[in-house]
Amino acid sequence: KNQVEQSPQSLIILEGKNCTLQCNYTVSPFSNLRWYKQDTGRGPVSLTIMTFSENTKSNGRYTATLDADTKQSSLHITASQLSDSASYICVVSATYTRTSYDKVIFGPGTSLSVIP
Amino acid sequence: NAGVTQTPKFRVLKTGQSMTLLCAQDMNHEYMYWYRQDPGMGLRLIHYSVGEGTTAKGEVPDGYNVSRLKKQNFLLGLESAAPSQTSVYFCASKPTRDMWYEQYFGPGTRLTVT
Repeated sequence: KNQVEQSPQSLIILEGKNCTLQCNYTVSPFSNLRWYKQDTGRGPVSLTIMTFSENTKSNGRYTATLDADTKQSSLHITASQLSDSASYICVVSATYTRTSYDKVIFGPGTSLSVIP
Repeated sequence: NAGVTQTPKFRVLKTGQSMTLLCAQDMNHEYMYWYRQDPGMGLRLIHYSVGEGTTAKGEVPDGYNVSRLKKQNFLLGLESAAPSQTSVYFCASKPTRDMWYEQYFGPGTRLTVT
């Protein structure tokens, strides 16, 4: 069964601290993994995308890692800011070449709160 | 360039009532999607469209219908609303199937069915 799990469910950190969010998936055939940021009351916005051959991808203070062998990914946030408070969603895609649609499985998200 | 817009932003329906959610995008994207987001769960695909005049079922299509008469618009209809359809609905679009393109999401519609 295609599934994406994330941990922790929620996290509170002090401004300026670092944190790491985890994503485990069982999706086949694997195509790519994205991390999205969803601010309260808004739609998700893509932070990074990684394919099978990529181990690390950075976007400013956000660094994503991927271990395709263990089917795990992490999102590391450095020097957190109040504006980082949001839900972070791990999204894994599977590609089926004979269809017009790639199956996209969304994780439940990790709710991050950065406090002063 | 407004991106992806959704109307309405909020709606309260009584059980059995019907309504239509409108999604519009001004980016000339071919692919459009309707998702629902429930607490503790990931977004789930309701219906999608790979181009004007085409629609297809997603993961949770029961109780919903869609239409894509114009490329820029994707409508989601609830013919007879049920409390189980209380959710936040997101529309998204992307240019083509190419995986390097991300999906662009609208701001969401919060629907409550009493």
